[in-house]
Amino acid sequence: EDQVTQSPEALRLQEGESSSLNCSYTVSGLRGLFWYRQDPGKGPEFLFTLYSAGEEKEKERLKATLTKKESFLHITAPKPEDSATYLCAVQRSYGGATNKLIFGTGTLLAVQP
Amino acid sequence: DAGITQSPRYKITETGRQVTLMCHQTWSHSYMFWYRQDLGHGLRLIYYSAAADITDKGEVPDGYVVSRSKTENFPLTLESATRSQTSVYFCASSEQGSQPQHFGDGTRLSIL
Repeated sequence: EDQVTQSPEALRLQEGESSSLNCSYTVSGLRGLFWYRQDPGKGPEFLFTLYSAGEEKEKERLKATLTKKESFLHITAPKPEDSATYLCAVQRSYGGATNKLIFGTGTLLAVQP
Repeated sequence: DAGITQSPRYKITETGRQVTLMCHQTWSHSYMFWYRQDLGHGLRLIYYSAAADITDKGEVPDGYVVSRSKTENFPLTLESATRSQTSVYFCASSEQGSQPQHFGDGTRLSIL
């Protein structure tokens, strides 16, 4: 069964304190892994897509990496405005239902000034 | 403005009533999706559509009906609302099935 597990559930950082969020997955062939940011009362906002092991993507203070079993979202020198829930989702590459995203439950990040 | 719009943003209704949530996108994306978001479950797919007049079930379709007569609209109907359908509902769209999905800001639905 396809599954996505994110850890930790919640993370509190001081401004400037770098850290990483984890997304481990099991899926019948990975078509793509997606990272989203969700602010309270808003819909998820797309950040990155990763397609193959070894791939990396960067945007400002965020860097996403991918292995065959997990993805990391590294946050370098975070600022309070980085506070949000970060969601990970995978899309399978075969076996039917290849357009569906399977989401993890997210990591709630709080960055204190 | 271009984007994806959901209405209403908030809705309170009673068990047994029919309620329709609206979703409109201006990108002319082929794919549209409906999710519900509940604590402890994350986002779960209800239904999706690959094009006008083509719809398919997701993970949790029971109690919901969708239609897609026009590319830009994808309404979700709860035919006889139950308390277990109290949730936040998100609509999303993507240009192709493998492309990132872009989400609306959700409808917060409470069923009393």
